[in-house]
Amino acid sequence: DTEVTQTPKHLVMGMTNKKSLKCEQHMGHRAMYWYKQKAKKPPELMFVYSYEKLSINESVPSRFSPECPNSSLLNLHLHALQPEDSALYLCASSQVPGSNQPQHFGDGTRLSIL
Amino acid sequence: SQQGEEDPQALSIQEGENATMNCSYKTSINNLQWYRQNSGRGLVHLILIRSNEREKHSGRLRVTLDTSKKSSSLLITASRAADTASYFCASQRQTGANNLFFGTGTRLTVIP
Repeated sequence: DTEVTQTPKHLVMGMTNKKSLKCEQHMGHRAMYWYKQKAKKPPELMFVYSYEKLSINESVPSRFSPECPNSSLLNLHLHALQPEDSALYLCASSQVPGSNQPQHFGDGTRLSIL
Repeated sequence: SQQGEEDPQALSIQEGENATMNCSYKTSINNLQWYRQNSGRGLVHLILIRSNEREKHSGRLRVTLDTSKKSSSLLITASRAADTASYFCASQRQTGANNLFFGTGTRLTVIP
C-alpha cells in the first residue's frame, strides 16, 4: 500500500466528457505533483504545488486544470481531452519544496480517451 | 529535453547475479535519486545521494555518483525475482523547485 492515494484507478472517458482525478496524502507534505507517464517512458512533470499554490506548470494544455483545495488534496480536472492524452497519471508528494527529500508516489490513474 | 539517459534499456539476469544500471544527467544537481516501478504501479523511492556524496549503500543497493562526469550507477547485489521492475534515476537541480528530471529507465528482469 502507498501513502499517496489516487482515485479512480482506471478511467475511460470520451473526448467531450469532464472528469476529475483525485489525490490525497496525510503525511503533512507541503509539495504535491502531477506527472504523466506513457507506456515504457519515464514520468513527465505536469504541475507542482508548493504550500497549496501552483508553482510550476510545464506548459500543459489548458484542457488539464489542477486544483489544490488544501494541503492534503490535489485534483486534476479534465475536459475535452484528446486520444494522445491516454496515459498513466501519477500524483506525488514531498515534505518541503526545494529540499533534499524523496517524492512519494501514488499508484496512478490509468486514463483511456475514446 | 532535460531528461537523463540510462543504460542499458533492458537487462536480463539470473537470480543471485548482480545487476548494474547507469545514469547520466545534464545539469548541476542537488541530489540524484533512484526509483523502482513495478508494472502498473507507482514509483517507489529507493535511495537518494547528495551532490557532495560519492557512494551510498542501502541493504542490497549500492549507488555511486560522479558529479564531474554527471553520472551515477545503481548496483543491486544477489538479485531476486522480486527485483524485476523498471528502475529510473531522477536528478534534482541545484536551484529552483523540488521537481525531478527522470532518466529513460532500465527494465530489469530477474529469472528465477
